[in-house]
Amino acid sequence: GQQVQQSPTSLVLQEGENAELQCNFSTSLNSMQWFYQRPGGSLVSVFYNPSGTKQSGRLTSTTVIKERRSSLHISSSQITDSGTYLCAMVSNNRIFFGDGTQLVVKP
Amino acid sequence: EAAVTQSPRNKVTVTGGNVTLSCRQTNSHNYMYWYRQDTGHGLRLIHYSYGAGNLQIGDVPDGYKATRTTQEDFFLLLELASPSQTSLYFCASSDRGGSYEQYFGPGTRLTVL
Repeated sequence: GQQVQQSPTSLVLQEGENAELQCNFSTSLNSMQWFYQRPGGSLVSVFYNPSGTKQSGRLTSTTVIKERRSSLHISSSQITDSGTYLCAMVSNNRIFFGDGTQLVVKP
Repeated sequence: EAAVTQSPRNKVTVTGGNVTLSCRQTNSHNYMYWYRQDTGHGLRLIHYSYGAGNLQIGDVPDGYKATRTTQEDFFLLLELASPSQTSLYFCASSDRGGSYEQYFGPGTRLTVL
């Protein structure tokens, strides 16, 4: 079954709006990582966040290991934030990816 | 920051053809991975390795071989390519020491006609 569930599958925002992306895990995990994938295809690591809250500019990641979930908050979205956001979890030496959230930010 | 490079960046071949995708990482990471990504899917693990000469089977290994010749180099081999293997392929590496943060290469887009 699907180990990592991401929601929503897609999201359309007006520039300046905030977004909350969710990741839920069906098993216990050791750590997790958020990635941004550009429309051209390359992957960029956004956060490596085994637990707690991390912030980088307008992005904030919160992982609650006991509840098997992680979220990515994007504040004051910009057109350049458009793309796909993927989360991945590590559990028992295996890595599992979600299917991603496709974000479109419109002017 | 880890540097992971892949070659070629784009490849077109015909059904039944032989293809080798190359990956090199220069940060002395022990673990290396090959993934494929298809439209509407996240990344799916093909093979991975935790050191030179080691190979572990991933979730979608059928039709693929892999070889880790050195700590830096990991190759993915398609010996009889099929159209179902048309995909975007990513290589990644990670450090062994309790950290599983993954560093990705730029990807190889493979088309099998």
